[in-house]
Amino acid sequence: RKEVEQDPGPFNVPEGATVAFNCTYSNSASQSFFWYRQDCRKEPKLLMSVYSSGNEDGRFTAQLNRASQYISLLIRDSKLSDSATYLCVALASGSARQLTFGSGTQLTVLP
Amino acid sequence: NAGVTQTPKFQVLKTGQSMTLQCAQDMNHNSMYWYRQDPGMGLRLIYYSASEGTTDKGEVPNGYNVSRLNKREFSLRLESAAPSQTSVYFCASHRTQSSYNEQFFGPGTRLTVL
Repeated sequence: RKEVEQDPGPFNVPEGATVAFNCTYSNSASQSFFWYRQDCRKEPKLLMSVYSSGNEDGRFTAQLNRASQYISLLIRDSKLSDSATYLCVALASGSARQLTFGSGTQLTVLP
Repeated sequence: NAGVTQTPKFQVLKTGQSMTLQCAQDMNHNSMYWYRQDPGMGLRLIYYSASEGTTDKGEVPNGYNVSRLNKREFSLRLESAAPSQTSVYFCASHRTQSSYNEQFFGPGTRLTVL
């Protein structure tokens, strides 16, 4: 079983739609969680950190449920520019700051 | 600031050849990492360096070696390339400030081993 699991998609949604991605993690010692965005053939970039209380950044909302070991990302009012692969990421505790990546969920927003 | 830079961007090797992938960061980060990314597999950690002078194995270290030359530079060496090492390689450095964490990635090296 992978440490971080995501539905690979693809998710094809029309512009303006709301789309949600889910992710589960198996290491209960994971300290922090993130969503990274990766455009085709580019490097991953941090989209947002995920906090237990839930956090919002514009059209993006992230939630963490430690009891269920579950993380979510909600994108409202999808834009064409949101088309990318979204990576769910867990940070291990300890000084080495090791990240464990999910395989990614591919999103295509259609005009 | 250039952030994280990697060279080369593309490379084709024959089986058995060796090469070194170079990585440098100008953000004064202590921790640096090498990942490989294969289709459907996500990023997998090859080696990391928590601080200058230290290196440790990640999830998939076989066939690779690393050198943390100084705080800025972290290189990855393939001593005898194999077709299974065909992949996209990303270098990263990690910023920690209080509870804030972020890894910054280089643009990647696309390696093909024939």
